[in-house]
Amino acid sequence: NAGVTQTPKFRILKIGQSMTLQCTQDMNHNYMYWYRQDPGMGLKLIYYSVGAGITDKGEVPNGYNVSRSTTEDFPLRLELAAPSQTSVYFCASRFTGGTGELFFGEGSRLTVL
Amino acid sequence: GENVEQHPSTLSVQEGDSAVIKCTYSDSASNYFPWYKQELGKGPQLIIDIRSNVGEKKDQRIAVTLNKTAKHFSLHITETQPEDSAVYFCAASRRASYDKVIFGPGTSLSVIP
Repeated sequence: NAGVTQTPKFRILKIGQSMTLQCTQDMNHNYMYWYRQDPGMGLKLIYYSVGAGITDKGEVPNGYNVSRSTTEDFPLRLELAAPSQTSVYFCASRFTGGTGELFFGEGSRLTVL
Repeated sequence: GENVEQHPSTLSVQEGDSAVIKCTYSDSASNYFPWYKQELGKGPQLIIDIRSNVGEKKDQRIAVTLNKTAKHFSLHITETQPEDSAVYFCAASRRASYDKVIFGPGTSLSVIP
């Protein structure tokens, strides 16, 4: 099993550009999450999904959009990139009714210049 | 919503000494408290968790304590080793919903050989 796979690992964007961070998991987990990590700020929840077709906002959703058309995939879209979105983004998943453990991908480092 | 605070932000200990990291949470309905370890360049990984029906849990050199009345919980690492050097995150969530996991800002632990 590959677990949670994120692409790309690194990306530089110009202000105003758009892009999609891809996340896929092969563990048949219903729950999927997007977090951003900034120095000294921990992991902030952007959006999450409890299953295909269902998404909800987390702590810091502004400037982002998500969709969940399949159990495996949970892409994160940045429509108009801003310097404040420079961060490391982590996708995570977990099994419904399981132990509660989150399985994280290795992260995507995004820089907006 | 839930707010998790964590102290200290950085911690240096000599190899073989103990390390203690403390967290507080605000939502009295939170029932599940995991701890994650993040090594450089990796996504966080669960190392131990505790539920509200117990006050302490141990796993080899790692232990977690929970005081629900005071709304705080702590991670204890004994006989520290250089490979314990990492960033540690505490988190809290309502076990019943399992939807949102809110993280603290993290503690960077350095174990000096």
